[in-house]
Amino acid sequence: GENVEQHPSTLSVQEGDSAVIKCTYSDSASNYFPWYKQELGKRPQLIIDIRSNVGEKKDQRIAVTLNKTAKHFSLHITETQPEDSAVYFCAHYRRLYFGRGTQLTVWP
Amino acid sequence: NAGVTQTPKFQVLKTGQSMTLQCAQDMNHEYMSWYRQDPGMGLRLIHYSVGAGITDQGEVPNGYNVSRSTTEDFPLRLLSAAPSQTSVYFCASSRGAEAFFGQGTRLTVV
Repeated sequence: GENVEQHPSTLSVQEGDSAVIKCTYSDSASNYFPWYKQELGKRPQLIIDIRSNVGEKKDQRIAVTLNKTAKHFSLHITETQPEDSAVYFCAHYRRLYFGRGTQLTVWP
Repeated sequence: NAGVTQTPKFQVLKTGQSMTLQCAQDMNHEYMSWYRQDPGMGLRLIHYSVGAGITDQGEVPNGYNVSRSTTEDFPLRLLSAAPSQTSVYFCASSRGAEAFFGQGTRLTVV
């Protein structure tokens, strides 16, 4: 179906550590995998995305990896900072169904 | 460019009342959608539209109606509000696959 499962639901890390959030999907036709960040009281905004013909994409401290065989993709944040604290959502592009979100807290 | 504009920002309704949440975009996007956001439940798709005159149901369509008479506007109607519809509602429009969200409407049904 269209579902995408996201784990973990909450994640706490120390400033400077890395954070990894994983999503699995079931629709083999999915070809676009975005990640959104939602700060408290604000709207979600796209932070990085990957297309199915690419295995990894980086943008400074964030990266996304895709394993099409296993049908999962992950968000990696390195050298975390307190301003990375937010809810992160994965999605897959059929009708933009979202995962349930991961509340990331970065402690100074 | 205003992007995606949602009104109102806040609304309190009594059970059984009806109302319309407005959504307008000025980016000429064909695809528009409505989500509700509840704690621990993420963003759940209510209805979506791939162009003027075309709408379809998402994950949680019951109790909601939509129409798309123009490319710019995609209103969401609550037919008879229920406390279970207390939520934050987001409208979004998409260019290709990237979604642009409105500011959200916090709706409380008492």
